[in-house]
Amino acid sequence: GAVVSQHPSRVICKSGTSVKIECRSLDFQATTMFWYRQFPKQSLMLMATSNEGSKATYEQGVEKDKFLINHASLTLSTLTVTSAHPEDSSFYICSANRAGALGDTQYFGPGTRLTVL
Amino acid sequence: SQQGEEDPQALSIQEGENATMNCSYKTSINNLQWYRQNSGRGLVHLILIRSNEREKHSGRLRVTLDTSKKSSSLLITASRAADTASYFCATDSTGTASKLTFGTGTRLQVTL
Repeated sequence: GAVVSQHPSRVICKSGTSVKIECRSLDFQATTMFWYRQFPKQSLMLMATSNEGSKATYEQGVEKDKFLINHASLTLSTLTVTSAHPEDSSFYICSANRAGALGDTQYFGPGTRLTVL
Repeated sequence: SQQGEEDPQALSIQEGENATMNCSYKTSINNLQWYRQNSGRGLVHLILIRSNEREKHSGRLRVTLDTSKKSSSLLITASRAADTASYFCATDSTGTASKLTFGTGTRLQVTL
């Protein structure tokens, strides 16, 4: 089956620092990846669509200068939380879109728990 | 927000009982999917039902879809303690291929 990894699985940082999270599709190529944020006991909220070789598309209310997305290859997308603050503490999950004969399927990574002190 | 609603928000049952979760959504869809999430983990895909399908089965799972009511249900039969998790429905809408909108989720607790 298709596997998506995320690194790191958890990170603790000081307020004001930047944190980079990687999302990799291990056994397939993904021109499109998605980044979600999930607060405790809540659902996943789509933050942005990451497109290989072009700019990411951000959802309404998500600051593109705050959450930098780079999708430089067909197997890697990165999300950088710049100048992180405690309110950015959350569970960040990526998914990679795999095209198939019967349509597209999203495969989710295991998530990254970010804690900003 | 176009996020769907799920009910109940929380469900506690005993092992062996059936669990039913409902999902309602707001826009026209291509597909509706159900996912499971164990606490602090990523999502596991359970089942996908297309907009032209009304019912689908996979093992102990049964999913129904009523596009006229914009609702879906997930039935887990003969539940097990290992089924304890949060369950989310997710829809992708016509014209926005693969972009998923998640429901609010149901937290299922199965006790021995």
